[in-house]
Amino acid sequence: GEDVEQSLFLSVREGDSSVINCTYTDSSSTYLYWYKQEPGAGLQLLTYIFSNMDMKQDQRLTVLLNKKDKHLSLRIADTQTGDSAIYFCAESTTDKLIFGTGTRLQVFP
Amino acid sequence: DAGITQSPRHKVTETGTPVTLRCHQTENHRYMYWYRQDPGHGLRLIHYSYGVKDTDKGEVSDGYSVSRSKTEDFLLTLESATSSQTSVYFCAISEDRKSYEQYFGPGTRLTVT
Repeated sequence: GEDVEQSLFLSVREGDSSVINCTYTDSSSTYLYWYKQEPGAGLQLLTYIFSNMDMKQDQRLTVLLNKKDKHLSLRIADTQTGDSAIYFCAESTTDKLIFGTGTRLQVFP
Repeated sequence: DAGITQSPRHKVTETGTPVTLRCHQTENHRYMYWYRQDPGHGLRLIHYSYGVKDTDKGEVSDGYSVSRSKTEDFLLTLESATSSQTSVYFCAISEDRKSYEQYFGPGTRLTVT
């Protein structure tokens, strides 16, 4: 069935790079997404990648897609304390998004 | 930010009572969604709507119903609230299905005692 998996926690030092990983199961997914959720707020779309791409860069964010392994990653360069949040990956299916459980990123000084 | 509001933002209710949550959008988007967020489960789709009076079930629809009589409003009703429905509920909207870009409201924290 459809399933999206992420590790639950990641802790990094301010200024380092963060890499958040995700695996998905639906090989027919057209788009894959990364959302950010700050405390007490809804989800904010960060970036997305079309399934025929293997990389997308947007300022400090780099998304890598390995379609063969169904593996998606989000790299945040020069991580700042304001990046502390929960990050969700999601895959698109025929009529809906399937979200992962979210990775809580903690940035310490 | 997309114009999405949810009301109420917080609610405490007793087991067995009916509860209605409201989502209101000003973007005139066709698709609207209700999710619940629980620790260890991420976001799970409850119901969605693809137009006025057109709705369909998501993966966790039992115990919930929805209605959409206007483009801008999508209501989620818990007919008889249970403690297992204690959760944070998010509404989302999207313009079309092709890109699946969804924009989320601020959430409603519901506690059923």
